[in-house]
Amino acid sequence: GAGVSQTPSNKVTEKGKYVELRCDPISGHTALYWYRQSLGQGPEFLIYFQGTGAADDSGLPNDRFFAVRPEGSVSTLKIQRTERGDSAVYLCASSLTLAGGPTSNNEQFFGPGTRLTVL
Amino acid sequence: AQSVTQLDSQVPVFEEAPVELRCNYSSSVSVYLFWYVQYPNQGLQLLLKYLSGSTLVKGINGFEAEFNKSQTSFHLRKPSVHISDTAEYFCAVSSQGGSEKLVFGKGTKLTVNP
Repeated sequence: GAGVSQTPSNKVTEKGKYVELRCDPISGHTALYWYRQSLGQGPEFLIYFQGTGAADDSGLPNDRFFAVRPEGSVSTLKIQRTERGDSAVYLCASSLTLAGGPTSNNEQFFGPGTRLTVL
Repeated sequence: AQSVTQLDSQVPVFEEAPVELRCNYSSSVSVYLFWYVQYPNQGLQLLLKYLSGSTLVKGINGFEAEFNKSQTSFHLRKPSVHISDTAEYFCAVSSQGGSEKLVFGKGTKLTVNP
């Protein structure tokens, strides 16, 4: 079956512009995660959705970052007034974890990422 | 809060040699442990995970890892590597009973030379 897909694969923008990054999770996966991977670093957690709601947004760096998942499937990460420091690969992952359920199926399946470059 | 330390940023080895990639973690609560692999221009792929039970975990592609609670380590090993194992390897933890988020180390670049 299809894996996690992310669009666009590459995005180049100018400082101060607004960008949207899209994630299509694996069909039926209830949990969706966004991570950011800067050059030479491991992925850093941004936000986690269980269904339509953000269960944990503690990783969002500031109020310029916002994410939605209105129908519990596709998610969009939105960045306002982009800065050069926002340049990174933005990763999306999904899993079959059920809220309050066991985490034995907690494998997160990752998409290929969107490489964001802010000039 | 949790943190993960991968002690080696780069590990070069020759083909068919054994390899160990080191991972130590810090946490005030019990954790689950994971190793992910990232091949060039591809997404992260799960190699193996420790949830509970036997401390020796076997994964895909002949990799295994051992959970050592007293040393807070989860080192990854393979007895004989192939050229195709060249990739970036990430160790990660998540807290039991908490948010499902993964906390990653900085990664270890494994290069297998002929």
